[in-house]
Amino acid sequence: GAGVSQSPRYKVAKRGQDVALRCDPISGHVSLFWYQQALGQGPEFLTYFQNEAQLDKSGLPSDRFFAERPEGSVSTLKIQRTQQEDSAVYLCASSYRVRGRTDTQYFGPGTRLTVL
Amino acid sequence: AQRVTQPEKLLSVFKGAPVELKCNYSYSGSPELFWYVQYSRQRLQLLLRHISRESIKGFTADLNKGETSFHLKKPFAQEEDSAMYYCALRIQGAQKLVFGQGTRLTINP
Repeated sequence: GAGVSQSPRYKVAKRGQDVALRCDPISGHVSLFWYQQALGQGPEFLTYFQNEAQLDKSGLPSDRFFAERPEGSVSTLKIQRTQQEDSAVYLCASSYRVRGRTDTQYFGPGTRLTVL
Repeated sequence: AQRVTQPEKLLSVFKGAPVELKCNYSYSGSPELFWYVQYSRQRLQLLLRHISRESIKGFTADLNKGETSFHLKKPFAQEEDSAMYYCALRIQGAQKLVFGQGTRLTINP
């Protein structure tokens, strides 16, 4: 079946613009994660959803970052008033979480955001 | 705070030689450790996890709680092993992964 998909794959924004990044998880996957990967670094956790509930948003760097998953499937990460330090690859991952057990996270190809 | 350290950003070995990618973590509880791999122009994918105790593509990794390490090893490197490798940690009760900075492994012919 299809894996996790993300769009757009590349996004160039002028400083101050708002951007929206989309993630389509694997069908049936309950859990969805967003990570930010700066150049030369490992992925860093941003936020986590279980179905439509955002259970952990401890990694969001500022109130300019907002994520939603209103129907428990597709998720959107929105960044308002983008800054140059927001330039990074944004990774989405999903997993089929079975109660009492955690499962493998499957990653999408990422969206490379460049803020000029 | 939990942390994963991969001390080598770059590692280069010859084909057929043994390879070891180092990973150390800081966490006082019972961790779950993973190795993820990213081949050129591909997405990040799970290579192995310590609870499975299995060998994938000839790679093994043993969790050493005394040394807080989870080094990845392969006795005979192959050219197709060239990739970016990330060690990751999941703490008890959490879902998120904490990643190291990654090691770029290059296998020379």
